[in-house]
Amino acid sequence: GQSLEQPSEVTAVEGAIVQINCTYQTSGFYGLSWYQQHDGGAPTFLSYNALDGLEETGRFSSFLSRSDSYGYLLLQELQMKDSASYFCAGYGQNFVFGPGTRLSVLP
Amino acid sequence: DAGVIQSPRHEVTEMGQEVTLRCKPISGHDYLFWYRQTMMRGLELLIYFNNNVPIDDSGMPEDRFSAKMPNASFSTLKIQPSEPRDSAVYFCASSPVRGLSGNTIYFGEGSWLTVV
Repeated sequence: GQSLEQPSEVTAVEGAIVQINCTYQTSGFYGLSWYQQHDGGAPTFLSYNALDGLEETGRFSSFLSRSDSYGYLLLQELQMKDSASYFCAGYGQNFVFGPGTRLSVLP
Repeated sequence: DAGVIQSPRHEVTEMGQEVTLRCKPISGHDYLFWYRQTMMRGLELLIYFNNNVPIDDSGMPEDRFSAKMPNASFSTLKIQPSEPRDSAVYFCASSPVRGLSGNTIYFGEGSWLTVV
């Protein structure tokens, strides 16, 4: 089976850096993805890590350590519009999403 | 591309009624997923198809739920009979590939179902 764990909530201020962690247990693991979901909206793809290391996409970076079954999403130069829920998703025998982390960005 | 298209966007129905949710995936995508999202259970994978064939339906809650994909451009999720606990947002999503090439799942806007 597969399971992923994330913190339920994170709060930070504008301009700051925040890291959202994800630990997973999954069989036949292919990689780890991150999705963003604003209230009332649909999840949208942010990044994907198939290999260990850091992937950078603008203000967002994602990291994966397969040996530690661990990854994180790093958001830099936080903006108010980054307030949303962030989900890690494991790709193994199935596609499974973590419980989500609600990020609140304060002025 | 118009993205994944779902209908209806919102539905309110009475307990015991049949509900049919519809989805048109992005053209050329081989994988289609149905997810359910609630506050209590988060995003749950109900079923997914590869090339119109159901691959894993272990997430389908019970026999009241059924899903079909008669062709590459259309899928339905049916609940019969519906119950109040089925109230949720149902997302359809599609993906072009699977594996190390970099998965991206594209979600529709969701169907907001309320069963009263």
